[in-house]
Amino acid sequence: DGGITQSPKYLFRKEGQNVTLSCEQNLNHDAMYWYRQDPGQGLRLIYYSQIVNDFQKGDIAEGYSVSREKKESFPLTVTSAQKNPTAFYLCACRDREAGYTFGSGTRLTVV
Amino acid sequence: AQSVAQPEDQVNVAEGNPLTVKCTYSVSGNPYLFWYVQYPNRGLQFLLKYITGDNLVKGSYGFEAEFNKSQTSFHLKKPSALVSDSALYFCAVRSYSGAGSYQLTFGKGTKLSVIP
Repeated sequence: DGGITQSPKYLFRKEGQNVTLSCEQNLNHDAMYWYRQDPGQGLRLIYYSQIVNDFQKGDIAEGYSVSREKKESFPLTVTSAQKNPTAFYLCACRDREAGYTFGSGTRLTVV
Repeated sequence: AQSVAQPEDQVNVAEGNPLTVKCTYSVSGNPYLFWYVQYPNRGLQFLLKYITGDNLVKGSYGFEAEFNKSQTSFHLKKPSALVSDSALYFCAVRSYSGAGSYQLTFGKGTKLSVIP
């Protein structure tokens, strides 16, 4: 989906395990976002970052962590503190004209 | 706080008929409004946006949306529906979070089914 790549497409997590979702973009955009999608609930913002080495909590940050060491990369870690992590996770980046580009998503399932 | 409402969980329309997917919003200041489409197990694809100017915005795949400030609405429309338009549609509003930060707030989505 455009110049933003999420991996893996499917991910399985055992109880008590941390997992990291990758998000890489080659669009040279400063701002990047992580959303969680659950059926019937739309998209909810987990974390966002406006520039390298800076990020802010969104509406549902508990149980998640992020880093932004490079402009191109914004990985999301789902920690064992997240009690209900099964969901579809979407990464996005934003250009200066307010255009948002989304990745193709990662489906995380707890087994 | 900003919010977006999509009052219909599902919209069914016959192929060839006009379609409308409804969206209302609440935001302080001038709204930046968006429509996205999502096909199964895929990311969101941009359809169109309203920032300023003409109230009728034209977008991808023959879709358009009408911004109505008095009714705080931004309904998505298409004159003639195709079976391939069947998907999940999201309305979103951009809000300013301070210190140069912006975020999108999404509606819960409307599933559009176009019946052959």
